[in-house]
Amino acid sequence: DAGITQSPRHKVTETGTPVTLRCHQTENHRYMYWYRQDPGHGLRLIHYSYGVKDTDKGEVSDGYSVSRSKTEDFLLTLESATSSQTSVYFCAIKRGLAQANTGELFFGEGSRLTVL
Amino acid sequence: TQLLEQSPQFLSIQEGENLTVYCNSSSVFSSLQWYRQEPGEGPVLLVTVVTGGEVKKLKRLTFQFGDARKDSSLHITAAQPGDTGLYLCAGARADKLIFGTGTRLQVFP
Repeated sequence: DAGITQSPRHKVTETGTPVTLRCHQTENHRYMYWYRQDPGHGLRLIHYSYGVKDTDKGEVSDGYSVSRSKTEDFLLTLESATSSQTSVYFCAIKRGLAQANTGELFFGEGSRLTVL
Repeated sequence: TQLLEQSPQFLSIQEGENLTVYCNSSSVFSSLQWYRQEPGEGPVLLVTVVTGGEVKKLKRLTFQFGDARKDSSLHITAAQPGDTGLYLCAGARADKLIFGTGTRLQVFP
């Protein structure tokens, strides 16, 4: 158990409504990530954080914002959800070696979002 | 266009067969990882390769990192039904881990 939980696990919403997904960790790791997973695309990085209030964009950041006001929580917000944002969203923490680029990612169980 | 392309996208084989999955990019990565994902769960790390030309073996799985650190392969010998899952390669660039498009493997008894 990597000590990482996502909520909600499932959500159905309508186009144009705001949605916030929460990722919570209990291990005090510095790096946290949000990915989305769609068939044929593997996992695509949305945003990541390298510390409290320190975030950066990934490959597919348009339409998404993030916040990290404390170490344990990393929030992903869709300000106005669209049908193209229907996906499974995974949060991950990075554990491991001192060099940031060889650490291992541990993933949450995913949040399935459907935008009608 | 994704940075890391995997092939094949789907693979259905019989138990006991061998297979190879490829992960290709035009970009250089400082390290490369392979993950396996089962339905309803997050990916789980199988291996990390760091040095160009590196080969790592994990029981029946053999991982290779290309000499130029742009590509990698995963070879499974004598596949078993328990190998069924989605295999993902991932390249490290600074603080980010960029995932490939995935290969879905089904091994039939």
